[in-house]
Amino acid sequence: ILNVEQSPQSLHVQEGDSTNFTCSFPSSNFYALHWYRWETAKSPEALFVMTLNGDEKKKGRISATLNTKEGYSYLYIKGSQPEDSATYLCAPYTGNQFYFGTGTSLTVIP
Amino acid sequence: DGGITQSPKYLFRKEGQNVTLSCEQNLNHDAMYWYRQDPGQGLRLIYYSQIVNDFQKGDIAEGYSVSREKKESFPLTVTSAQKNPTAFYLCASSTGQPTTSTGELFFGEGSRLTVL
Repeated sequence: ILNVEQSPQSLHVQEGDSTNFTCSFPSSNFYALHWYRWETAKSPEALFVMTLNGDEKKKGRISATLNTKEGYSYLYIKGSQPEDSATYLCAPYTGNQFYFGTGTSLTVIP
Repeated sequence: DGGITQSPKYLFRKEGQNVTLSCEQNLNHDAMYWYRQDPGQGLRLIYYSQIVNDFQKGDIAEGYSVSREKKESFPLTVTSAQKNPTAFYLCASSTGQPTTSTGELFFGEGSRLTVL
């Protein structure tokens, strides 16, 4: 079982603030790192699939970076909007399964 | 629309009863997964299947059973042997290539099981 840590556990920010979260995982047996967004009463949806050390991905105001050597990934949200309120999950893939962190719950206050 | 359908959304069960949760996908995905969510914990893998008629145990398979007779369907049975079955259950599917840009998981909306 892989220990995946996400921090902070929860976050409240004002609309327009920029924020970032961390996902930490053991760097051995690493194949890929997935980020998902899970809104209340909906299904989790994929944000990014990252595989290479130094990888950077961007989708609108959301971006992510990956450091496989030290075992962490950052997710950034620029200019947070109320619709960004959700739980953000990271999931390293080890070659046979995903291991999910407990997530970071983001609330954007209008 | 393509997607994953889980049913029922809510289910109540008496102790000692087996229940089956349905998961159907029309995405033509090879791989399907069952996860369990408990408060304060990440999603934990119960079973997964990468091809029809084949499946593997995840980290918490005890007390559960699955079948994969059709590509589209991956039902999960929670048996009376599962000691603490009250939880939220999520089904997912993927192309089975998690290291590619199209290898993400697609999730259903979940089934909440409560044992009375």
